[in-house]
Parts: sequence; C-alpha cells; structure tokens
Amino acid sequence: QVHLVQSGAEVKKPGASVKVSCKASGYTFTSYYIHWVRQAPGQGLEWMGVINPSGGSTNYAQKLQGRVTMTRDTSTSTVYMELSSLRSEDTAVYYCARNAVHYSSSWYGSDGSDIWGQGTVVTVSS
Amino acid sequence: QSALTQPASVSGSPGQSITISCTGTSSDVGSYNLVSWYQQHPGKAPKLMIYEGSKRPSGVSNRFSGSKSGSTASLTISGLQAEDEADYYCCSYAGSSTSVFGGGTKLTVL
Repeated sequence: QVHLVQSGAEVKKPGASVKVSCKASGYTFTSYYIHWVRQAPGQGLEWMGVINPSGGSTNYAQKLQGRVTMTRDTSTSTVYMELSSLRSEDTAVYYCARNAVHYSSSWYGSDGSDIWGQGTVVTVSS
Repeated sequence: QSALTQPASVSGSPGQSITISCTGTSSDVGSYNLVSWYQQHPGKAPKLMIYEGSKRPSGVSNRFSGSKSGSTASLTISGLQAEDEADYYCCSYAGSSTSVFGGGTKLTVL
C-alpha cells in the first residue's frame, strides 16, 4: 500500500519558520517526484514546488522563491518542506503529493499527482 | 505564473453531463499535454481524476474524461451522480519545471 504520511499541525508566530515532513512508504522512494501544494482556508490549491527524491533537485514557485526549501532524506524515505519568514497569509493546509508517473517515463515530473499526504495545518498567528 | 481560469461554479441534474473548462495560455495548457484534474470533497485531500490530459488513474470511473483544444482543457462528467458534488481543480505544467493550478470550480448536483 502506497502512503505519504505528514507531520502534525503547527502553530507559529509571524517571522518564524516551519518544517513539514512527508514520509513515503510502499514504493521506491527515489523513483517518483514529490510536489508540495497548499490551500489557505476557503481558498483554492496553490502549487509550491517539486523535488526529485533521487538527486535532490528542486524547483519552486516564483512567488515563494527565497522563502521555501525542499529537501529529502533517502535513508528514511522522507521529504521536507521548510517555509521561512512566515506571515499570516501562509496559514494553510500543506500537502505533499507524489507524481503519478515513474521518473523514467516522465518528461517534466509534472504529470499529475496520484498519492497525497493527509495534509498538515500550519497556523501563523501572533 | 498566473492561475488557470475556471468557472466558479457549474451545476447539473443526476444523469446529465457537465463540462468544466480550464483556460490557460500558450505557456502552459497550450504548450503541453500535461493537464491534470482533481476532485476535492470538503475537508479531504484532493483526488486525481485525470492526468496527462486524458488518462484516467486506476479506479476512477469512466464517467470522467479529459480533453484539450488550444489553450483550454476540459473535464467532462457524464451520468452525473450525487457523490460527484465537490470542488474540481485543473493543474497544468507551465514550463521550467513549474506547475500552476486553476482557481477551482464548485460542482452542484441539483
């Protein structure tokens, strides 16, 4: 059974950083890109970035450049998303999601995400 | 990276067919056959319904289909059922290893 399990809810003050984890199981961790997507309360989905768990290469949404960092630990099949300089607008549910297509068959690692984590609520409040 | 444009809401009666549009530009939808569609029920994670424009993941009903014309992608749901009532989002590859979502469409089954 393929799963992505995320870390628990976080409450942070403005200006702080948050690091959310996403542990993969049931498949070869290094064979599928992982995307991060967030959803503010009552709002739509927002793409944040993507990481290639094999080599660790990343690409981020222009809006978040300089504040977001995605990393991975192949020994534990876990990817991390860290967001710094938090502001109230960063309050959202954060999801990790696996690209549906094996990296060897994927042109850009952005074919669609078939497995999603349960979501992590991040609240930014003073 | 501007969000793709979707209608805010669509509705249909059980058994009918509906289509949700997703309009992008020549930099995203128009240039790549990499549009995906997601269904999201309240309080739940999104569920992949269509990937790579028109492919259905295993387990997704064949009542769901995807297509594209120019810079507009479409999701069609035929034989509408009560459980189809949800929010639907499109997503497209936008070049330079980035992706962009649509604003979402609320489907109401009358």
